[in-house]
Amino acid sequence: EVQLVESGGGLVKPGGSLRLSCTASGFTFVNAWMNWVRQAPGKGLEWVGRIKSNSDGGTTDYAVPVKGRFTISRDDSRNTLYLQTSSLRAEDTAVYYCTTDVGLPTLGQWGQGTLVTVSS
Amino acid sequence: DIVMTQSPDSLAVSLGERATINCKSSQSVLYRSNNKNYLAWYQQKPGQPPKLLIYWASTRESGVPDRFSGSGSGTDFTLTISSLQAEDVAVYYCQQYHSTPVYTFGQGTKLEIK
Repeated sequence: EVQLVESGGGLVKPGGSLRLSCTASGFTFVNAWMNWVRQAPGKGLEWVGRIKSNSDGGTTDYAVPVKGRFTISRDDSRNTLYLQTSSLRAEDTAVYYCTTDVGLPTLGQWGQGTLVTVSS
Repeated sequence: DIVMTQSPDSLAVSLGERATINCKSSQSVLYRSNNKNYLAWYQQKPGQPPKLLIYWASTRESGVPDRFSGSGSGTDFTLTISSLQAEDVAVYYCQQYHSTPVYTFGQGTKLEIK
């Protein structure tokens, strides 16, 4: 069974940084392309970014609102995905989900999410 | 980016009745090379992550009840729940995966019991 468990969320001041983690199990993480999707309180879903598997180049792509401020990385030895956030703004307040598409054409496996609150 | 627009924003349907949610994309999500529509539907209940219901516009994910069906092609799509059950109360999202890596979602439709 695929499991994705996010951690690292919390309260941070505007301009601050936070590193989110997502620990994966139940599938071959090293081959998976991994994504982050966020959801502001009471709002819809917004794709944040993606990292390809290292065998596919390990390249990253980001949504325009976070480009240059957020960095996605992975540690295949630990089956862990990361989202390093910086220069955080109030509008980055959201639940951040780790998600992937194992055996499916789109995002079919999701973690429970971790809440990031940006407030002074 | 492809913009996804759902209608209505909210919907109240009686138990056992049909619920219909529409989704329109700003450009076609149909790949003519494989004749597949890169369109998915998700269900999200309060406090839970989204759950994939349907992909390729009409293929139900494993374990999804057959009262859920998807239809449409190109830019216009529909999610139908044939006989609403109490456990179907949720927010429903359409999503395009035609223009990855950017996945875009509709704004969501809140489904309630009348």
